[in-house]
Amino acid sequence: SQTIHQWPATLVQPVGSPLSLECTVEGTSNPNLYWYRQAAGRGLQLLFYSVGIGQISSEVPQNLSASRPQDRQFILSSKKLLLSDSGFYLCAWSVLAGYTEAFFGQGTRLTVV
Amino acid sequence: RKEVEQDPGPFNVPEGATVAFNCTYSNSASQSFFWYRQDCRKEPKLLMSVYSSGNEDGRFTAQLNRASQYISLLIRDSKLSDSATYLCVVLHASGGSYIPTFGRGTSLIVHP
Repeated sequence: SQTIHQWPATLVQPVGSPLSLECTVEGTSNPNLYWYRQAAGRGLQLLFYSVGIGQISSEVPQNLSASRPQDRQFILSSKKLLLSDSGFYLCAWSVLAGYTEAFFGQGTRLTVV
Repeated sequence: RKEVEQDPGPFNVPEGATVAFNCTYSNSASQSFFWYRQDCRKEPKLLMSVYSSGNEDGRFTAQLNRASQYISLLIRDSKLSDSATYLCVVLHASGGSYIPTFGRGTSLIVHP
């Protein structure tokens, strides 16, 4: 069966520090991969999605970036965090071809102080 | 206009009540529709897909109205454990991928 791992679960970082969140998927090949952010009391905002290794599409301009160095690995990064980067970051995957549901990792709760 | 709109609630209902949520979407090219459930401080989890003919899973019934571009979720005989936020999700094709777009969610509180 397919599983998705995301870590760390919680993170407290000072303003201006770098960020690296990692997500890996097991049990499937060539998945669509997504990074979402959910600010407190808000909906899920799509940040990045990827259809293959090295292929990243950005939905919202910001100081975050994403990379997909391997088929089932998706990384969210920032060189310098802002207070407004605080939120609940969720990685998700779906089957590459077709209109199918997405499955989420357990999320990373990031607090920038 | 937001792509996917939901009434944020909260809907506060007693156990055993029937409650219905609606969700409207703006992209007429949307192809797939889902309801997710999100518990406090947890990741969203798939509750059910929404099919054109409507579908039922136990106490839950989902309906799609393509002409009016809305989907609905009906929960019968509400349980305390149904308390959560219900997210409407609409899928459309973009840039070679299939993009799930989420509504902000509707909060449900079931009380004794």
